[in-house]
Amino acid sequence: KQEVTQIPAALSVPEGENLVLNCSFTDSAIYNLQWFRQDPGKGLTSLLLIQSSQREQTSGRLNASLDKSSGRSTLYIAASQPGDSATYLCAGPSGGGADGLTFGKGTHLIIQP
Amino acid sequence: DGGITQSPKYLFRKEGQNVTLSCEQNLNHDAMYWYRQDPGQGLRLIYYSQIVNDFQKGDIAEGYSVSREKKESFPLTVTSAQKNPTAFYLCASSYREFYGYTFGSGTRLTVV
Repeated sequence: KQEVTQIPAALSVPEGENLVLNCSFTDSAIYNLQWFRQDPGKGLTSLLLIQSSQREQTSGRLNASLDKSSGRSTLYIAASQPGDSATYLCAGPSGGGADGLTFGKGTHLIIQP
Repeated sequence: DGGITQSPKYLFRKEGQNVTLSCEQNLNHDAMYWYRQDPGQGLRLIYYSQIVNDFQKGDIAEGYSVSREKKESFPLTVTSAQKNPTAFYLCASSYREFYGYTFGSGTRLTVV
């Protein structure tokens, strides 16, 4: 069954920096991967969905990549802003005959003004 | 606007009491899911339903029950058999896994 790991667990950077969040997964048969943002006490907001055939997906200052062969995905945030402070979660299909998503534990990001 | 509505936002349960969390979607999605979120543990799948009148257990179904009488609705009941129900509960839906998942705003359940 799929296992998803996110590194680092927490990250604090000054405003304006470019940063990369990492996500690794064990099932290389993954057909897509989804990145979410979660603000404290709130639900999940979908940021990007990458299909295995796409390798990359962009939305504004966000760019996500997917490399099935290495079992890795990255979320690149350009020119970070204090409003980007949140927990970022990656998730992939659970696989192994199970439905639903398997989530990483998230990266808690703080952007210092 | 289409989306998922979860209610209530906050819920308090007394010992031995059953409570029901509501989840409604107007996205015309076939599949619906319930996840539980605990600090430091990530999200874990409780139950899911791919079609009306059918549902399957997830990884942590003990102490929970669901129904799917309508495509739009997938309520979750937390029974007295669930020994540690305090958590944040999230409902999600999907048209097909290929198109990704949409989540609701969550219900925070606290045992008092």
